[in-house]
Amino acid sequence: DAKTTQPNSMESNEEEPVHLPCNHSTISGTDYIHWYRQLPSQGPEYVIHGLTSNVNNRMASLAIAEDRKSSTLILHRATLRDAAVYYCILRGSYGGATNKLIFGTGTLLAVQP
Amino acid sequence: DAGVTQSPTHLIKTRGQQVTLRCSPKSGHDTVSWYQQALGQGPQFIFQYYEEEERQRGNFPDRFSGHQFPNYSSELNVNALLLGDSALYLCASSLYGLAAFDEQFFGPGTRLTVL
Repeated sequence: DAKTTQPNSMESNEEEPVHLPCNHSTISGTDYIHWYRQLPSQGPEYVIHGLTSNVNNRMASLAIAEDRKSSTLILHRATLRDAAVYYCILRGSYGGATNKLIFGTGTLLAVQP
Repeated sequence: DAGVTQSPTHLIKTRGQQVTLRCSPKSGHDTVSWYQQALGQGPQFIFQYYEEEERQRGNFPDRFSGHQFPNYSSELNVNALLLGDSALYLCASSLYGLAAFDEQFFGPGTRLTVL
């Protein structure tokens, strides 16, 4: 399975941008990069995904390195509600080894008021 | 529009018993996946159902089985419960479940405690 590496924890101040890094040096050409987050006592929540180009949605932005071996999830203005565990996951085509969603331990983001 | 719903919310069983957990997917979704999340760990993929068939399976023993009904709802069955089966069981539904770009919607989970 293609693996991702994330810092165990990060801290941010409210209303400041947050950059959450993820390394995935063994990514294959057809693997999508997905981000999910899990707030305390809730199921995971989809945040964003991308393949090669940077992506933006109402929740966040995803910046993908040119060689695709790393990516960064950007929260433009952190709020207290963004305190959660953030998971970076690679997902490949159906039938391949990485089609299942494989969660690692993620990054625990703390947001200070 | 209701999201993914799971029942029951909490469940207490004893070792050796059997348990059935239920999941109703988000409206319009035809694919259901099940995950086990132990305390302090990320969710672990159990299996995925599409068109009433198990399409993919994670590293879980045969004691874990499932079913998907024609209305796309799903059940997770666990036989011969062990203490180590105590966990939060999450159900996720999706529209393009087998596709690499698919987005999964998770339910709140069922907390299973095995004594």
